Amino acid sequence: DAKTTQPTSMDCAEGRAANLPCNHSTISGNEYVYWYRQIHSQGPQYIIHGLKNNETNEMASLIITEDRKSSTLILPHATLRDTAVYYCIGTNAYSGAGSYQLTFGKGTKLSVIP
Amino acid sequence: EPEVTQTPSHQVTQMGQEVILRCVPISNHLYFYWYRQILGQKVEFLVSFYNNEISEKSEIFDDQFSVERPDGSNFTLKIRSTKLEDSAMYFCASSVRRVGTEAFFGQGTRLTVV
Repeated sequence: DAKTTQPTSMDCAEGRAANLPCNHSTISGNEYVYWYRQIHSQGPQYIIHGLKNNETNEMASLIITEDRKSSTLILPHATLRDTAVYYCIGTNAYSGAGSYQLTFGKGTKLSVIP
Repeated sequence: EPEVTQTPSHQVTQMGQEVILRCVPISNHLYFYWYRQILGQKVEFLVSFYNNEISEKSEIFDDQFSVERPDGSNFTLKIRSTKLEDSAMYFCASSVRRVGTEAFFGQGTRLTVV
């Protein structure tokens, strides 16, 4: 699985867009980029994932650079409830039969400030 | 919205005792996982389970650990002889497919070994 690098922490003003960067320069062509978050030691929560194209869902947008060496998670209008640790994870789409191991790093602690 | 349910939410046990942590995955999911998070540390993969057998396990998942899907709905993690260092949050997760999909995590069981 690709090693990912994220800033340790970030602040964002409530109502503003939160842009969380992730570097994954060693990502291979068949590895997805997943984003999860963990709110105060609760179970991780899936946000979004992508392979090559930019993706958007009701929670966030994922922008992946053309060379796939980095990506940005965008929360368009951050609220206080978005305060959490955000994890960027690279996962090999073909790693073994019937496996789906997520390798969590330390993530980015996002603090949304009123 | 479907959810993964874990019981109990908190378990205290004496060192050397056996514990069973229980999980009810989402009903149409086929892949099941256990992760753990020691306080202040990363979320770590323990094991994945598919088609009634372990598909992948980490180095943490030694002979003291076992998993079972006893009745087609529950998914359990057993620790045979608990150690102090087994104290952690244990998260169960499930997914529809191996890759290209989200994993749903439960809210966790906090295991405290005294």
